[in-house]
Amino acid sequence: KAGVTQTPRYLIKTRGQQVTLSCSPISGHRSVSWYQQTPGQGLQFLFEYFSETQRNKGNFPGRFSGRQFSNSRSEMNVSTLELGDSALYLCASSPLTGAGDTQYFGPGTRLTVL
Amino acid sequence: AQSVTQLDSQVPVFEEAPVELRCNYSSSVSVYLFWYVQYPNQGLQLLLKYLSGSTLVKGINGFEAEFNKSQTSFHLRKPSVHISDTAEYFCAVSDLGGSYIPTFGRGTSLIVHP
Repeated sequence: KAGVTQTPRYLIKTRGQQVTLSCSPISGHRSVSWYQQTPGQGLQFLFEYFSETQRNKGNFPGRFSGRQFSNSRSEMNVSTLELGDSALYLCASSPLTGAGDTQYFGPGTRLTVL
Repeated sequence: AQSVTQLDSQVPVFEEAPVELRCNYSSSVSVYLFWYVQYPNQGLQLLLKYLSGSTLVKGINGFEAEFNKSQTSFHLRKPSVHISDTAEYFCAVSDLGGSYIPTFGRGTSLIVHP
């Protein structure tokens, strides 16, 4: 099976702009989670979608939003970008909904905000 | 709510030497425990996980970890490391019956020297 894919891999934006990142999960996986990874804060959970519904949300401002489509593909959007939004954004998919599930990560999108 | 502490941010070691990466967790309920590895410019990949049963868990690439409930620890070990093991290692925990979104530690950078 193909792994989790994320597009684009690299992105450069300026403050105040908005950005949309895309994630295609492993075929058959219905849960998609998004994480922000920075050197200072480590890996922080943004939100999780299952069957087009947001089920869990981390502690991020409303500028961060997401959605999931009927084919399980997911997008996240960041509006009014700030310098502190520069990070590696990781998407992960999992097949079921249990706490013991393995998360399968994509390679990430490296966002740089200038 | 659960939390994870990875006691060492960086562990340098020589090739063929043994290594232990430490992880302690805090949770008021029973947990599932994971170790993930992140190679440069890649997403995270599962090394091993503890769900139940034997407290000694064997994973990929010769790694193993031992769950110690009384010490609330889940340390990762390898008897002989290779240059190719140089990577970032993350410990993660999720609560049984609670939010199944795992909480990740800050990561430990394993640097293997020739």
